[in-house]
Amino acid sequence: GENVEQHPSTLSVQEGDSAVIKCTYSDSASNYFPWYKQELGKGPQLIIDIRSNVGEKKDQRIAVTLNKTAKHFSLHITETQPEDSAVYFCAASGVTGGFKTIFGAGTRLFVKA
Amino acid sequence: SQTIHQWPATLVQPVGSPLSLECTVEGTSNPNLYWYRQAAGRGLQLLFYSVGIGQISSEVPQNLSASRPQDRQFILSSKKLLLSDSGFYLCAWRDPGNQPQHFGDGTRLSIL
Repeated sequence: GENVEQHPSTLSVQEGDSAVIKCTYSDSASNYFPWYKQELGKGPQLIIDIRSNVGEKKDQRIAVTLNKTAKHFSLHITETQPEDSAVYFCAASGVTGGFKTIFGAGTRLFVKA
Repeated sequence: SQTIHQWPATLVQPVGSPLSLECTVEGTSNPNLYWYRQAAGRGLQLLFYSVGIGQISSEVPQNLSASRPQDRQFILSSKKLLLSDSGFYLCAWRDPGNQPQHFGDGTRLSIL
């Protein structure tokens, strides 16, 4: 079945450094890739997304890159701040299963001040 | 703009008691609706989804059921809770098609 693998499961960085979270998907029909940020006790919130017709998208300090050939996509956070500390989920969806969304297992990001 | 409401935010229930969690969405029509469970420190497990009133699909066999009595109302129920039903329950909606899901703030359910 469809699968999304996410690495690392835990990431600790110093404030001001960059953080990179990587995901790999299995379904070649996937063409939409959202990223979510979940703060403690809250629901996941959409922070950025990318569709398969572009290779990169940027929104201030966050960017997402997509390599369709390798079926990889990544989240890049630059100049990290303590408030970036949260759990991040990647996801993939496409026509398979009526646009079923498959989530990665999550990455817990710690930004040390 | 669209909003999603889940209640209650926290719930403590004894084993064997019934459950009803409610989720409503405003500002959109005919959304796809979802119930997820999240164990502590873990990922999102899809429990149920619905593409229309009265249409429920179950992803995993379990002690829970879901209903969609109105277009923008999604209810998660159980007749008799088990200890293993403890967790963080999230409702989500999205417009039909290849669109992002939007999550509520969840209900933390503790079974004693």
